[in-house]
Amino acid sequence: KNEVEQSPQNLTAQEGEFITINCSYSVGISALHWLQQHPGGGIVSLFMLSSGKKKHGRLIATINIQEKHSSLHITASHPRDSAVYICAVRGYGGSQGNLIFGKGTKLSVKP
Amino acid sequence: DAMVIQNPRYQVTQFGKPVTLSCSQTLNHNVMYWYQQKSSQAPKLLFHYYDKDFNNEADTPDNFQSRRPNTSFCFLDIRSPGLGDAAMYLCATSRSTPYEQYFGPGTRLTVT
Repeated sequence: KNEVEQSPQNLTAQEGEFITINCSYSVGISALHWLQQHPGGGIVSLFMLSSGKKKHGRLIATINIQEKHSSLHITASHPRDSAVYICAVRGYGGSQGNLIFGKGTKLSVKP
Repeated sequence: DAMVIQNPRYQVTQFGKPVTLSCSQTLNHNVMYWYQQKSSQAPKLLFHYYDKDFNNEADTPDNFQSRRPNTSFCFLDIRSPGLGDAAMYLCATSRSTPYEQYFGPGTRLTVT
């Protein structure tokens, strides 16, 4: 079983729809990252969370430490949001900087 | 703007011909990471530098080496590239704490 599980793996939405991507993890973490990767491109860090909720523009990220679960929401989705969204968690101790990545959720937003 | 820069963005090399990928940063971060990402897979950490201290992942092949001559620059050397080394190579940086990583745009390596 992967330490970081994302759902769904693939998601197709119509422009304007509200989108939710989920991430569950099984290890103790010091922080959770949501990352965005466009096709053939590098990675952009969207959020780093250790508790609660963060909002940036149309993007909202929440985390529930007790339930070991995080969600990424996109309001009023747009075709330019089409990308792979990756959840990654950071542990404790000697490997504190190392990220454990989920397999990503491929989002396609149709006009 | 402070950023992480990778050069080149696309690199083609021949089987067995050494290749060097470059990463530079203007963030003055003390930690630098190299990841390998193959198609449709999650990034895989190869190694990282904490200041000048080199930390190799246990399963990183000996074919992969790295140099960090100063805070700003880090290089990934592939001594004898094989076809299986074709991938996107991502550089990232962070401070010691809170460890938020900033990624470069990546170098896509093709091995012919």
